[in-house]
Amino acid sequence: DQQVKQNSPSLSVQEGRISILNCDYTNSMFDYFLWYKKYPAEGPTFLISISSIKDKNEDGRFTVFLNKSAKHLSLHIVPSQPGDSAVYFCAASANRGGADGLTFGKGTHLIIQP
Amino acid sequence: DAGVTQSPTHLIKTRGQQVTLRCSPKSGHDTVSWYQQALGQGPQFIFQYYEEEERQRGNFPDRFSGHQFPNYSSELNVNALLLGDSALYLCASSLQGGRGTQYFGPGTRLLVL
Repeated sequence: DQQVKQNSPSLSVQEGRISILNCDYTNSMFDYFLWYKKYPAEGPTFLISISSIKDKNEDGRFTVFLNKSAKHLSLHIVPSQPGDSAVYFCAASANRGGADGLTFGKGTHLIIQP
Repeated sequence: DAGVTQSPTHLIKTRGQQVTLRCSPKSGHDTVSWYQQALGQGPQFIFQYYEEEERQRGNFPDRFSGHQFPNYSSELNVNALLLGDSALYLCASSLQGGRGTQYFGPGTRLLVL
């Protein structure tokens, strides 16, 4: 059973517009969530995280929103840039700070159209 | 400041063989986690090492084993390789006994024929 789900395998967004990537989870023990970006032939790069005690965290163009009651989080990228084209993974941990092994979704391939 | 490094970058083995993959953590990090990423999937947690001991383990058979050295570097060993072990193997390091965000290396691409 998949505990972290990214239901959109791919997403195409025009340059300059907002990209919204979604993630759902089923395990109530998860209390720390992370987003990673991955280019081909590279390892995942950490983007942004959020603890379950918050509902929003912002870092530059990236904002993550957490809705604990719905077990849903989303990553907003504004404005989208061509370099944002990559696979985005949502990950969750049952230990604040991502200390334990992370559980990943299958990823969403974001394509930014010029 | 060197990030997480892994070696080799690519490896080809045949069924039944054994393989050893290596990882050096980011400077200052003391915890190493290993993940397997099959094609089209997200990374799956194999195990985590801290203070030279296996701290946590995912749902992987005993054919997968590891080691952490006093300098915090780590090895992943896989015995009796199966075709299904073909994947990208990722190493991630973190700080302070695992209480920090995990940073990934570029991975080792293993192909089992």
